[in-house]
Amino acid sequence: AQSVAQPEDQVNVAEGNPLTVKCTYSVSGNPYLFWYVQYPNRGLQFLLKYITGDNLVKGSYGFEAEFNKSQTSFHLKKPSALVSDSALYFCAVRDDSSASKIIFGSGTRLSIRP
Amino acid sequence: NAGVTQTPKFRILKIGQSMTLQCTQDMNHNYMYWYRQDPGMGLKLIYYSVGAGITDKGEVPNGYNVSRSTTEDFPLRLELAAPSQTSVYFCASSPGTSGRALAKNIQYFGAGTRLSVL
Repeated sequence: AQSVAQPEDQVNVAEGNPLTVKCTYSVSGNPYLFWYVQYPNRGLQFLLKYITGDNLVKGSYGFEAEFNKSQTSFHLKKPSALVSDSALYFCAVRDDSSASKIIFGSGTRLSIRP
Repeated sequence: NAGVTQTPKFRILKIGQSMTLQCTQDMNHNYMYWYRQDPGMGLKLIYYSVGAGITDKGEVPNGYNVSRSTTEDFPLRLELAAPSQTSVYFCASSPGTSGRALAKNIQYFGAGTRLSVL
């Protein structure tokens, strides 16, 4: 069965430094992968997705993600972190058994210190 | 552009009470979803719908019911509230696999309903 894993509950980064939020996936077919962000007391917001094509996907707010098929990873990255990037980040994969559903990871809390 | 609207934002229920969480979307999306998010946890799918008149169970459907009489609305019903249903509930919609390539499979979320059952 397909799944995503976010191995870090929390990531702490100093403002201005690069950040990486890790995600690994397991699927039986071609992966459809997503990143969402959740700010406090808000719903999730779509950041970016990978379906096919270029392994480096660019998304909202300066975020990008690198798809690595051999390592089954889809890590979220940003070259220079902002305090306003502090939020909860979810990796997700489309359900192989039902294209109408996606499966979310457990989330990683990103904290950017000034 | 309203997107996905959920009401109420907050609610406190007593054990055994019932209530309906409302969700409406104005993007003409066929797919709609209900999730719950417990503190410090990810999202769990309760029910989903791929179109008016069609609903299906997700991962944690027990204690809940849904209906989808129109494309726009997807209410979630709690019949006999229990403390285990204390959570934040999110409604989402999606164009699914149809529509523009950039929008396919993306889910758009409401702001959530924070429910406490005491």
